[in-house]
Amino acid sequence: NAGVTQTPKFQVLKTGQSMTLQCAQDMNHNSMYWYRQDPGMGLRLIYYSASEGTTDKGEVPNGYNVSRLNKREFSLRLESAAPSQTSVYFCASRILGGMEPQHFGDGTRLSIL
Amino acid sequence: GENVEQHPSTLSVQEGDSAVIKCTYSDSASNYFPWYKQELGKRPQLIIDIRSNVGEKKDQRIAVTLNKTAKHFSLHITETQPEDSAVYFCAALIYDKIIFGKGTRLHILP
Repeated sequence: NAGVTQTPKFQVLKTGQSMTLQCAQDMNHNSMYWYRQDPGMGLRLIYYSASEGTTDKGEVPNGYNVSRLNKREFSLRLESAAPSQTSVYFCASRILGGMEPQHFGDGTRLSIL
Repeated sequence: GENVEQHPSTLSVQEGDSAVIKCTYSDSASNYFPWYKQELGKRPQLIIDIRSNVGEKKDQRIAVTLNKTAKHFSLHITETQPEDSAVYFCAALIYDKIIFGKGTRLHILP
């Protein structure tokens, strides 16, 4: 039982390159989330998917797109990477509608030069 | 919009003393409040949570209190130990979004 798996763990990009961060969960959760974490800023919600087939913007969606490929997978895409998107990206999942916690992946450390 | 404020941003306490971290939330529809601990380079890990129909919850040295009227909740760690040094995040569930505070870096001094 792997929980939430994120790939890759590390990535360095040049400004303007595109990149897709992958996230998969094996806990049969309905809801999935993407956060970015910057020093002193906590975890800021980029996009979330309450259930398969739906996606919604969070606090900081600009510059990102997402795809809920199926119940297990939720990907985050940077179409044209910018240095301001250098961050640690966390994917999380939880049961829809319940007062239950999120389970986090190990994160992707992304640097954009 | 939805907002979670967390204070203080940094907290230093002597080993064995208590630590208190406070959070406020803006949306009265929030009904679930988890707390996470994050060690350097690791993922956030849930340490305790509280639901809106409960005023207080305790788990060994950790307790959380909730005041729905004032829209604030707090984390209390008693008898602090060196392994409590980490960053702590409060969060609030608003419909299906979980919004986080900016975190508190807790230092346990020897």
